[in-house]
Amino acid sequence: DTEVTQTPKHLVMGMTNKKSLKCEQHMGHRAMYWYKQKAKKPPELMFVYSYEKLSINESVPSRFSPECPNSSLLNLHLHALQPEDSALYLCASSRTSGVGNEQFFGPGTRLTVL
Amino acid sequence: GENVEQHPSTLSVQEGDSAVIKCTYSDSASNYFPWYKQELGKGPQLIIDIRSNVGEKKDQRIAVTLNKTAKHFSLHITETQPEDSAVYFCAASDFGNEKLTFGTGTRLTIIP
Repeated sequence: DTEVTQTPKHLVMGMTNKKSLKCEQHMGHRAMYWYKQKAKKPPELMFVYSYEKLSINESVPSRFSPECPNSSLLNLHLHALQPEDSALYLCASSRTSGVGNEQFFGPGTRLTVL
Repeated sequence: GENVEQHPSTLSVQEGDSAVIKCTYSDSASNYFPWYKQELGKGPQLIIDIRSNVGEKKDQRIAVTLNKTAKHFSLHITETQPEDSAVYFCAASDFGNEKLTFGTGTRLTIIP
């Protein structure tokens, strides 16, 4: 199984809502990533988890809260988002962290903030 | 930090012809250069990568070349097919880093 799954595929939320994005992989990978991708732009790294510990936070606003409950799961909790947070949110995993390890991306969650 | 420029932003080629996408990077410490393909509605997928101890790497119709002196690397796709239509991103980093720096992307369209 070389797949990263993400749910939901689409999410529409208001600025006062709380929602969560979920990501799962069963490849035994020990590094997991969240990226944000705006239309016609490259992915922007948000967070890296290595062995279930947060190793990189790219100065992401606190309205985005990541969580790695175990080595297969990665969540992104959303609260009080702004319309400019509307984007495609991509999850990825790799065998370990550090470039040189192929990152496998999920299909993404398309988020719209009203 | 690293800065990666990618050209062209859009590219249309006739089916069967070759396509070339070019990237330049700024940090001489970078030593890992992957290329990702992103199809509509999907996440990026690694198609080929090259490390700084190698000048060229080929995988069937895809090749990547690296010129460390000039700090640029290129993706070459030969005998293009309609399924090659996608957005392609180059990236650069060094092995001590957990972060890839992506180029701005090239939308490749193959004309049947």
